[in-house]
Amino acid sequence: ETGVTQTPRHLVMGMTNKKSLKCEQHLGHNAMYWYKQSAKKPLELMFVYSLEERVENNSVPSRFSPECPNSSHLFLHLHTLQPEDSALYLCASSQTFLGRKGTEAFFGQGTRLTVV
Amino acid sequence: GNSVTQMEGPVTLSEEAFLTINCTYTATGYPSLFWYVQYPGEGLQLLLKATKADDKGSNKGFEATYRKETTSFHLEKGSVQVSDSAVYFCALARGYNKLIFGAGTRLAVHP
Repeated sequence: ETGVTQTPRHLVMGMTNKKSLKCEQHLGHNAMYWYKQSAKKPLELMFVYSLEERVENNSVPSRFSPECPNSSHLFLHLHTLQPEDSALYLCASSQTFLGRKGTEAFFGQGTRLTVV
Repeated sequence: GNSVTQMEGPVTLSEEAFLTINCTYTATGYPSLFWYVQYPGEGLQLLLKATKADDKGSNKGFEATYRKETTSFHLEKGSVQVSDSAVYFCALARGYNKLIFGAGTRLAVHP
């Protein structure tokens, strides 16, 4: 496989459930990201990991817990979510810091999460 | 602060029509600029990019020129196809791991 792969593609969970989203990148990149895409809202950056260390957390509620065990894998652990957390969750990776000239982010296909 | 503003959609065109999607940005210095495309049910794909003033990014018949004087990065295509129907996002990269997106513009192309 190549690129950025996210599993599952679709997830329906109750508010009391615990689930995890998985992201894997096969590009040899050093940085990985979680974004949230809600209807009629711009993409929101949730977490950034660089060299497996979390470097940014954009005031995300604690019911979202990221984990980056190595440079190829990124998880988003979910617990006690709310219906308003229903969205498309996108994982991305980049070779180096996005502020460096021309560095681009590569996105996975996303996980469509529905909280019932 | 840094921000990106895109024209609101949806944009509806007939096949072979000319496309322009406007994008303006606010940022200090010289950010890198990008257009990403999202096809139905998919994630985002990089369409094109530009890293300095007067650079022109191009791909698949799409073009955008980095205009520092007007802080713009408008997306254009001379002849759209039905397969171009998607949501298009303008974005800038500035600072440490910051990729800031516009709200997205939905394009619908009819035969």
